[in-house]
Amino acid sequence: GQQVMQIPQYQHVQEGEDFTTYCNSSTTLSNIQWYKQRPGGHPVFLIQLVKSGEVKKQKRLTFQFGEAKKNSSLHITATQTTDVGTYFCAGHGGSNYKLTFGKGTLLTVNP
Amino acid sequence: SQTIHQWPATLVQPVGSPLSLECTVEGTSNPNLYWYRQAAGRGLQLLFYSVGIGQISSEVPQNLSASRPQDRQFILSSKKLLLSDSGFYLCASPWDSAGGYTFGSGTRLTVV
Repeated sequence: GQQVMQIPQYQHVQEGEDFTTYCNSSTTLSNIQWYKQRPGGHPVFLIQLVKSGEVKKQKRLTFQFGEAKKNSSLHITATQTTDVGTYFCAGHGGSNYKLTFGKGTLLTVNP
Repeated sequence: SQTIHQWPATLVQPVGSPLSLECTVEGTSNPNLYWYRQAAGRGLQLLFYSVGIGQISSEVPQNLSASRPQDRQFILSSKKLLLSDSGFYLCASPWDSAGGYTFGSGTRLTVV
């Protein structure tokens, strides 16, 4: 079945440093979604990318979808303590009903 | 906007006891509904999904079952809990043209 892998599993940065998490799928995706889960909370939808090579920005966050639609990345510029949490990618492969999640990257920020 | 309600927020149950977790959705009709489980604070595993009343698809063979008795109600059940059923159970539904899922606030289940 479809597998979505994320690296790194953990990332600790100093406040102000940049952060990137990478997502790779074993199959071509129809879309890729990104979520953020704060400690103790539930996942919250950030964005969806659909087109090959698509790049979207939300303030300090930049999301990319690979040309082959099998990989994606999330880059945060100048991290803040409010960025702490686990970032998940998730994708629809062959079935529009099944959203498969990566295991997430836990980001901690040292003030 | 769509809202997903889950209860209870936390639950401690003994091994062998039954389980019933309820999820209800407001602000939409005929939603696709999903149950995910998150173990040890990481990755989300899809357990069940439903595209309509009485329609359940199971993703992982396990000690759990799901039912959808009403359009906006999704129930996760077990007849006899196992220690391995402990985890964070999340109900979710796609919410708009942006494609993202809305999650409920979840139930943290500890089986002792």
